[in-house]
Amino acid sequence: QVQLVQSGAEVKKPGASVKVSCKASGYIFTGYYMHWVRQAPGQGLEWMGWINPNSGGTNYAQKFQGRVTMTRDTSISTVYMDLSRLRSDDTAVYYCARSIIENWFDPWGQGTLVTVSS
Amino acid sequence: QSALTQPASVSGSPGQSITISCTGTSSDVGSYNLVSWFQQHPGKAPKVMIYEGSKRPSGVFNRFSGSKSGNTASLTISGLQAEDEADYYCCSYAGSSTYVFGTGTKVTVL
Repeated sequence: QVQLVQSGAEVKKPGASVKVSCKASGYIFTGYYMHWVRQAPGQGLEWMGWINPNSGGTNYAQKFQGRVTMTRDTSISTVYMDLSRLRSDDTAVYYCARSIIENWFDPWGQGTLVTVSS
Repeated sequence: QSALTQPASVSGSPGQSITISCTGTSSDVGSYNLVSWFQQHPGKAPKVMIYEGSKRPSGVFNRFSGSKSGNTASLTISGLQAEDEADYYCCSYAGSSTYVFGTGTKVTVL
């Protein structure tokens, strides 16, 4: 079955970087865009950007421009989201989600909690 | 890009119908028929309920329906059931290959 499995929880200090992985299975990895969405504790969903696993092309929300980098490794069907210069308000659960068509996101990964604390 | 505006909470009794609004602008909701709706239970990942404004993925009950008028999209849940109690988020295409989510609505089944 189609499945996205993300890496485990991370604790980082302010100013550091974090890299979250999302391994896809059950479908043709290069056939679907992958999006990243985050959710701060008790807050709503926030779209961060997407990567085209076929070409490696990316597009990021303006808010994250310059701090986020999305990459992929087609040999292991995995996408990565790297967020730098972390601040306390980056504490959130980060999700990857496959795009079937535009914002028809399905499935989603299980989420990765990133905690930024000194 | 500002978040789309949703009511913080909506409630209804079992069997009733409720509607959740999602208000954007002419740059997002009003310009594209690309609004999706997601259901999220506590501690779980979101699940798509509606895409392209009014289409239901297979496996989603037809109690869920979507529509749009001007800059406002709506999700209607008919025949409300206890398992529908969750948070709901709209998401719209916002141009230039970007997307924006709504502020979220907590649905309570009384």
